[in-house]
Order: sequence, then structure tokens, then C-alpha cells
Amino acid sequence: NAGVTQTPKFQVLKTGQSMTLQCAQDMNHEYMSWYRQDPGMGLRLIHYSVGAGITDQGEVPNGYNVSRSTTEDFPLRLLSAAPSQTSVYFCASSEPGQGVTEAFFGQGTRLTVV
Amino acid sequence: GNSVTQMEGPVTLSEEAFLTINCTYTATGYPSLFWYVQYPGEGLQLLLKATKADDKGSNKGFEATYRKETTSFHLEKGSVQVSDSAVYFCALSDPGGSQGNLIFGKGTKLSVKP
Repeated sequence: NAGVTQTPKFQVLKTGQSMTLQCAQDMNHEYMSWYRQDPGMGLRLIHYSVGAGITDQGEVPNGYNVSRSTTEDFPLRLLSAAPSQTSVYFCASSEPGQGVTEAFFGQGTRLTVV
Repeated sequence: GNSVTQMEGPVTLSEEAFLTINCTYTATGYPSLFWYVQYPGEGLQLLLKATKADDKGSNKGFEATYRKETTSFHLEKGSVQVSDSAVYFCALSDPGGSQGNLIFGKGTKLSVKP
């Protein structure tokens, strides 16, 4: 079982560069989300999607775009990277329709913006 | 708004010691409650969960009871092992928003020494 797969695992960007963090899941989950993890801050929700073609903003959406063209994939785009976006990014998927939201997480992408 | 507060770390214990990590929450409605664990260099994994008041979640010797009267979900283990060294996150499912959204505490780092 692959579960939730994120690529790349590590990335260094220069300020102003753009890039896409990839996330794919093979569990046919409708719900997918992106979090960032910063020291002393826990995980904060960036964007989420309740199904293909539907996305919405979370707690910290500025500077990030998402799209959901298929059930499996949920890429996160950084439009113009800033040092404040240095963080560890986690993608998660779940099936809320079952009543209890157990999220499955990817291994994370460690991003450094210099 | 909805929030989770958990005890600050780091927590350092000797092997076979008793562990308690406190977690309290603020929420409107009736959220589900979770403990996630993050081992070094990995993503988050669900440790245990509870969906309604007085439910007890348990897994791998860890337990937590959903206490509505004190809005708490404290994590306990009677005898910790070195392999329990990790970061532990308390979380709730957002009862007012999308069912898939999770709200996390800031995390508590546990180190267990032999």
C-alpha cells in the first residue's frame, strides 16, 4: 500500500522562484489537505479539497495555490517563494463520510527558501 | 474558535516511567479527538482516537479518554520505552467546518532514555 506519496522529500529554492509540491493518494479518498509544520506551531492547514474540482482555503493560504483535477492528485504551488515559507509540508487524505476523520499523512517535504 | 492546547515539551523520561501528556480543547459542537505520533524523519501516524464523550481510545499501550466535562483528552502510558521517543500531537476534527479538517496542538516532544 503506497498510501499518500509526496515528492520531493527535500527542496531548496531561491526567493522569488516558483515550484509545485506533488501529492498523490491511492486510497480513493475524497478529502485531501495540505499542512505546514513549523517549530512550536504544530500543523496549520493551508488548503483543502473535498473532492475533484473543489478546493478551499485553510488557516494560512496566502502565497499558495492548489487544484484538484483528479481524486488522486492534489498539488500545492508556491507562486513566488519567500523565506517565510521555509517549513515542512505535509499532505493528508481522509474519507470523512465514514463519520470519523482519520487522516493519512505523507512523509513530508522539507522546503528551504534562501 | 476551535482550538487545542497541549502541554509544552520537551518531556524527558527514563524507560518504564509513567507518561502523561495533557491536552485540552475548545470547540463548539461535538468533535472527534485524536492523538497522532510523529517519529523522527517521518510523517504523522494516527495513534488513537475517540468519537464521543467517555470513549477511551487505546493503542500500543497508550490510552486517552474523551472527557466532555473537562474538555480534555490526556494521553497516558504506564511504562514508556525508548522506541516511544517521538513528537505527539493532540487534534480535533473541526465540527463547524469541513469534516476533514483537523486542528492540531503544537506538539509535545518525548525523549525516553534507557
